[in-house]
Amino acid sequence: GESVGLHLPTLSVQEGDNSIINCAYSNSASDYFIWYKQESGKGPQFIIDIRSNMDKRQGQRVTVLLNKTVKHLSLQIAATQPGDSAVYFCAENSRAGTALIFGKGTTLSVSS
Amino acid sequence: GAVVSQHPSRVICKSGTSVKIECRSLDFQATTMFWYRQFPKQSLMLMATSNEGSKATYEQGVEKDKFLINHASLTLSTLTVTSAHPEDSSFYICSATQGIVNTEAFFGQGTRLTVV
Repeated sequence: GESVGLHLPTLSVQEGDNSIINCAYSNSASDYFIWYKQESGKGPQFIIDIRSNMDKRQGQRVTVLLNKTVKHLSLQIAATQPGDSAVYFCAENSRAGTALIFGKGTTLSVSS
Repeated sequence: GAVVSQHPSRVICKSGTSVKIECRSLDFQATTMFWYRQFPKQSLMLMATSNEGSKATYEQGVEKDKFLINHASLTLSTLTVTSAHPEDSSFYICSATQGIVNTEAFFGQGTRLTVV
């Protein structure tokens, strides 16, 4: 079936470092991808999205890279801060009006 | 961005009782709403897709008679957990999308259900 997965369950970095969180997806029909941040006890918070006609998109301190050839998605966080500590999920969608499918999540821990 | 409000944020109920969770889109009309369940340290698992004015579509393995979904208006969907059991204890999250173009889904704050 369709699935989206993540490579690493946990990532620990020092404050100020750059973080890279990876995600692999299996549905070649997926054309829309989103990264979400989830803090404990809260709903997912939108970080950045990218459509399949792009391979890179930048936001504030974050960059998403999409490699459709190998079906890989990554989230780069520049100058990681303690407030970035959370679980990060990638999600994908292949058609408007259908649900996002979530990957397993990576827990990012940022130490001062 | 658009706001989705979910209520209650936490609820504790006794085994055998029913609990209703509300999901409202506050500043947009949500043609489609989705219900997810999340167990500790796990990802969000889609339970059902809810379209306004029609029956919900449930994912495989989700009991439609146990998890009743109503989407009576373009701004409100409800999930009722009937005859709750301790194994139904989980974090329930709703999301909503705005329209026909594939775009960001907006999530509620989640509801922590504990069945004792």
